[in-house]
Amino acid sequence: DSGVTQTPKHLITATGQRVTLRCSPRSGDLSVYWYQQSLDQGLQFLIQYYNGEERAKGNILERFSAQQFPDLHSELNLSSLELGDSALYFCASSSLGLGLYTDTQYFGPGTRLTVL
Amino acid sequence: DQQVKQNSPSLSVQEGRISILNCDYTNSMFDYFLWYKKYPAEGPTFLISISSIKDKNEDGRFTVFLNKSAKHLSLHIVPSQPGDSAVYFCAAASGSARQLTFGSGTQLTVLP
Repeated sequence: DSGVTQTPKHLITATGQRVTLRCSPRSGDLSVYWYQQSLDQGLQFLIQYYNGEERAKGNILERFSAQQFPDLHSELNLSSLELGDSALYFCASSSLGLGLYTDTQYFGPGTRLTVL
Repeated sequence: DQQVKQNSPSLSVQEGRISILNCDYTNSMFDYFLWYKKYPAEGPTFLISISSIKDKNEDGRFTVFLNKSAKHLSLHIVPSQPGDSAVYFCAAASGSARQLTFGSGTQLTVLP
Protein backbone atom coordinates (compact mmCIF):
# COMPACT_ATOMS: atom_id res chain seq x y z
CA ASP A 1 0.00 0.00 0.00
CA SER A 2 1.59 3.26 -1.20
CA GLY A 3 -0.52 5.48 1.05
CA VAL A 4 -2.03 7.28 -1.96
CA THR A 5 -5.78 6.78 -2.30
CA GLN A 6 -7.95 7.32 -5.34
CA THR A 7 -11.70 7.24 -5.77
CA PRO A 8 -13.66 5.91 -7.46
CA LYS A 9 -11.93 2.72 -8.56
CA HIS A 10 -14.13 2.39 -11.63
CA LEU A 11 -16.24 4.91 -13.50
CA ILE A 12 -18.49 4.23 -16.46
CA THR A 13 -20.09 7.15 -18.23
CA ALA A 14 -21.31 8.33 -21.60
CA THR A 15 -19.78 10.58 -24.21
CA GLY A 16 -20.29 14.27 -23.54
CA GLN A 17 -20.48 13.81 -19.80
CA ARG A 18 -18.28 15.26 -17.05
CA VAL A 19 -16.59 13.32 -14.25
CA THR A 20 -14.39 14.08 -11.27
CA LEU A 21 -11.60 11.84 -10.05
CA ARG A 22 -10.29 12.26 -6.54
CA CYS A 23 -6.87 11.67 -5.04
CA SER A 24 -5.53 11.86 -1.51
CA PRO A 25 -1.74 11.98 -1.31
CA ARG A 26 0.44 10.24 1.24
CA SER A 27 0.47 11.93 4.61
CA GLY A 28 2.87 14.84 4.50
CA ASP A 29 3.31 14.88 0.72
CA LEU A 30 2.82 18.29 -0.83
CA SER A 31 3.04 17.39 -4.52
CA VAL A 32 0.38 15.61 -6.52
CA TYR A 33 0.85 14.37 -10.07
CA TRP A 34 -1.78 13.04 -12.46
CA TYR A 35 -0.97 10.48 -15.16
CA GLN A 36 -3.07 8.81 -17.84
CA GLN A 37 -2.44 5.27 -19.03
CA SER A 38 -4.12 4.39 -22.27
CA LEU A 39 -3.53 1.34 -24.44
CA ASP A 40 -1.86 3.23 -27.26
CA GLN A 41 -0.03 5.95 -25.33
CA GLY A 42 1.33 4.25 -22.24
CA LEU A 43 1.72 6.21 -19.01
CA GLN A 44 1.70 9.93 -19.72
CA PHE A 45 2.10 12.87 -17.37
CA LEU A 46 -0.87 15.22 -17.28
CA ILE A 47 -0.38 17.84 -14.58
CA GLN A 48 1.33 18.54 -11.26
CA TYR A 49 0.26 20.54 -8.22
CA TYR A 50 2.42 21.59 -5.33
CA ASN A 51 0.84 22.84 -2.12
CA GLY A 52 -2.26 24.05 -3.94
CA GLU A 53 -0.60 25.61 -6.94
CA GLU A 54 -0.18 24.28 -10.45
CA ARG A 55 3.49 23.57 -11.13
CA ALA A 56 3.70 21.84 -14.48
CA LYS A 57 1.51 20.71 -17.34
CA GLY A 58 2.10 17.81 -19.65
CA ASN A 59 -0.14 16.30 -22.30
CA ILE A 60 -3.35 17.49 -20.72
CA LEU A 61 -6.31 18.34 -22.93
CA GLU A 62 -8.12 21.65 -22.52
CA ARG A 63 -11.24 19.68 -21.60
CA PHE A 64 -9.40 18.43 -18.52
CA SER A 65 -8.60 20.45 -15.44
CA ALA A 66 -7.35 19.79 -11.96
CA GLN A 67 -7.00 21.45 -8.62
CA GLN A 68 -5.43 20.81 -5.25
CA PHE A 69 -7.30 21.83 -2.14
CA PRO A 70 -5.98 23.22 1.17
CA ASP A 71 -6.09 19.73 2.71
CA LEU A 72 -3.83 18.69 -0.20
CA HIS A 73 -6.25 16.29 -1.84
CA SER A 74 -6.60 16.77 -5.56
CA GLU A 75 -9.34 16.39 -8.12
CA LEU A 76 -9.06 15.82 -11.84
CA ASN A 77 -12.06 17.03 -13.81
CA LEU A 78 -12.73 15.57 -17.24
CA SER A 79 -15.46 17.16 -19.34
CA SER A 80 -17.07 16.67 -22.76
CA LEU A 81 -15.86 13.11 -22.55
CA GLU A 82 -14.98 11.23 -25.71
CA LEU A 83 -14.49 7.53 -26.33
CA GLY A 84 -10.76 8.09 -26.51
CA ASP A 85 -10.67 9.35 -22.93
CA SER A 86 -11.23 5.80 -21.70
CA ALA A 87 -8.09 5.00 -19.75
CA LEU A 88 -6.59 4.41 -16.35
CA TYR A 89 -5.92 7.62 -14.46
CA PHE A 90 -3.25 7.51 -11.79
CA CYS A 91 -2.41 9.97 -9.12
CA ALA A 92 1.05 10.06 -7.56
CA SER A 93 2.44 12.05 -4.69
CA SER A 94 5.87 13.07 -3.51
CA SER A 95 7.10 15.00 -0.56
CA LEU A 96 8.56 17.90 -2.46
CA GLY A 97 8.59 17.81 -6.26
CA LEU A 98 10.46 21.07 -6.20
CA GLY A 99 13.58 20.03 -7.99
CA LEU A 100 14.94 17.83 -5.24
CA TYR A 101 16.08 15.46 -7.85
CA THR A 102 15.87 12.30 -5.83
CA ASP A 103 12.26 12.91 -4.83
CA THR A 104 10.33 9.71 -5.52
CA GLN A 105 6.72 9.55 -6.65
CA TYR A 106 4.37 7.00 -5.11
CA PHE A 107 1.31 5.98 -7.07
CA GLY A 108 -2.27 5.32 -6.12
CA PRO A 109 -4.27 2.33 -7.39
CA GLY A 110 -5.84 4.33 -10.22
CA THR A 111 -9.32 5.04 -11.51
CA ARG A 112 -10.46 3.12 -14.56
CA LEU A 113 -12.64 5.37 -16.71
CA THR A 114 -14.80 3.84 -19.40
CA VAL A 115 -16.60 6.17 -21.78
CA LEU A 116 -19.42 4.52 -23.73
CA ASP B 1 9.04 10.82 -30.07
CA GLN B 2 9.68 8.25 -27.35
CA GLN B 3 12.27 9.64 -24.97
CA VAL B 4 12.34 6.51 -22.83
CA LYS B 5 12.31 3.16 -24.59
CA GLN B 6 11.94 -0.37 -23.37
CA ASN B 7 12.50 -2.39 -26.48
CA SER B 8 11.58 -5.78 -25.04
CA PRO B 9 7.84 -6.06 -24.47
CA SER B 10 8.30 -9.37 -22.66
CA LEU B 11 10.90 -11.50 -20.91
CA SER B 12 10.68 -15.02 -19.49
CA VAL B 13 13.16 -16.27 -16.91
CA GLN B 14 13.48 -19.42 -14.85
CA GLU B 15 13.04 -19.12 -11.11
CA GLY B 16 16.36 -18.57 -9.35
CA ARG B 17 18.07 -17.14 -12.42
CA ILE B 18 18.88 -13.51 -13.15
CA SER B 19 16.34 -11.21 -14.84
CA ILE B 20 17.78 -8.29 -16.77
CA LEU B 21 15.43 -5.57 -17.95
CA ASN B 22 16.73 -2.83 -20.20
CA CYS B 23 15.84 0.77 -20.85
CA ASP B 24 17.25 3.40 -23.21
CA TYR B 25 16.69 7.13 -23.13
CA THR B 26 17.40 10.00 -25.48
CA ASN B 27 16.99 13.13 -23.37
CA SER B 28 20.27 14.24 -21.78
CA MET B 29 18.34 16.37 -19.29
CA PHE B 30 17.07 13.31 -17.42
CA ASP B 31 18.90 13.19 -14.10
CA TYR B 32 16.96 10.67 -12.03
CA PHE B 33 15.79 7.25 -13.09
CA LEU B 34 13.31 4.93 -11.45
CA TRP B 35 11.94 1.44 -11.91
CA TYR B 36 8.34 0.64 -11.10
CA LYS B 37 6.61 -2.69 -11.00
CA LYS B 38 2.96 -2.96 -11.94
CA TYR B 39 0.37 -5.65 -11.48
CA PRO B 40 -2.88 -5.57 -13.46
CA ALA B 41 -5.53 -3.27 -11.95
CA GLU B 42 -3.00 -1.74 -9.54
CA GLY B 43 -0.89 1.39 -9.57
CA PRO B 44 2.85 1.29 -10.28
CA THR B 45 4.89 0.32 -7.22
CA PHE B 46 8.24 2.00 -6.74
CA LEU B 47 11.15 -0.46 -6.76
CA ILE B 48 14.47 1.28 -6.99
CA SER B 49 16.00 4.47 -8.34
CA ILE B 50 19.32 5.93 -9.34
CA SER B 51 20.53 9.48 -9.77
CA SER B 52 22.68 10.51 -12.68
CA ILE B 53 25.71 10.99 -10.45
CA LYS B 54 25.87 7.27 -9.74
CA ASP B 55 26.33 4.26 -11.96
CA LYS B 56 24.93 1.58 -9.66
CA ASN B 57 22.39 1.28 -6.89
CA GLU B 58 21.53 -1.89 -5.05
CA ASP B 59 18.60 -2.81 -2.84
CA GLY B 60 18.32 -6.44 -1.85
CA ARG B 61 17.68 -8.55 -4.93
CA PHE B 62 17.38 -5.47 -7.15
CA THR B 63 20.28 -3.60 -8.73
CA VAL B 64 20.02 -0.77 -11.20
CA PHE B 65 22.93 0.13 -13.46
CA LEU B 66 23.23 3.43 -15.31
CA ASN B 67 25.49 3.99 -18.30
CA LYS B 68 25.22 7.70 -19.05
CA SER B 69 27.44 7.66 -22.11
CA ALA B 70 25.23 5.03 -23.72
CA LYS B 71 22.05 6.54 -22.26
CA HIS B 72 21.14 3.11 -21.00
CA LEU B 73 19.97 1.67 -17.74
CA SER B 74 19.18 -1.83 -16.65
CA LEU B 75 17.47 -3.53 -13.76
CA HIS B 76 18.89 -6.81 -12.49
CA ILE B 77 16.82 -9.09 -10.29
CA VAL B 78 18.73 -11.89 -8.61
CA PRO B 79 17.46 -14.44 -7.84
CA SER B 80 14.21 -14.13 -9.73
CA GLN B 81 11.07 -15.36 -7.99
CA PRO B 82 7.61 -16.19 -9.39
CA GLY B 83 6.20 -13.26 -7.39
CA ASP B 84 8.36 -10.94 -9.50
CA SER B 85 6.14 -11.64 -12.50
CA ALA B 86 4.67 -8.25 -13.43
CA VAL B 87 5.11 -5.38 -15.87
CA TYR B 88 8.23 -3.34 -15.17
CA PHE B 89 8.36 0.31 -16.17
CA CYS B 90 11.44 2.41 -16.48
CA ALA B 91 10.87 6.13 -15.79
CA ALA B 92 13.03 9.23 -15.97
CA ALA B 93 12.71 12.61 -14.30
CA SER B 94 13.87 16.03 -15.34
CA GLY B 95 13.04 19.66 -14.82
CA SER B 96 12.02 21.45 -11.68
CA ALA B 97 8.59 19.77 -11.58
CA ARG B 98 10.16 16.28 -11.70
CA GLN B 99 7.41 14.83 -13.86
CA LEU B 100 8.16 11.31 -15.00
CA THR B 101 8.53 10.09 -18.55
CA PHE B 102 7.78 6.38 -18.74
CA GLY B 103 8.87 3.62 -21.04
CA SER B 104 6.29 1.29 -22.51
CA GLY B 105 6.99 -1.49 -20.03
CA THR B 106 8.36 -5.04 -20.09
CA GLN B 107 6.25 -7.98 -19.00
CA LEU B 108 8.46 -10.24 -16.86
CA THR B 109 7.37 -13.81 -16.34
CA VAL B 110 9.32 -15.91 -13.87
CA LEU B 111 8.70 -19.58 -14.45
CA PRO B 112 8.73 -21.96 -11.47
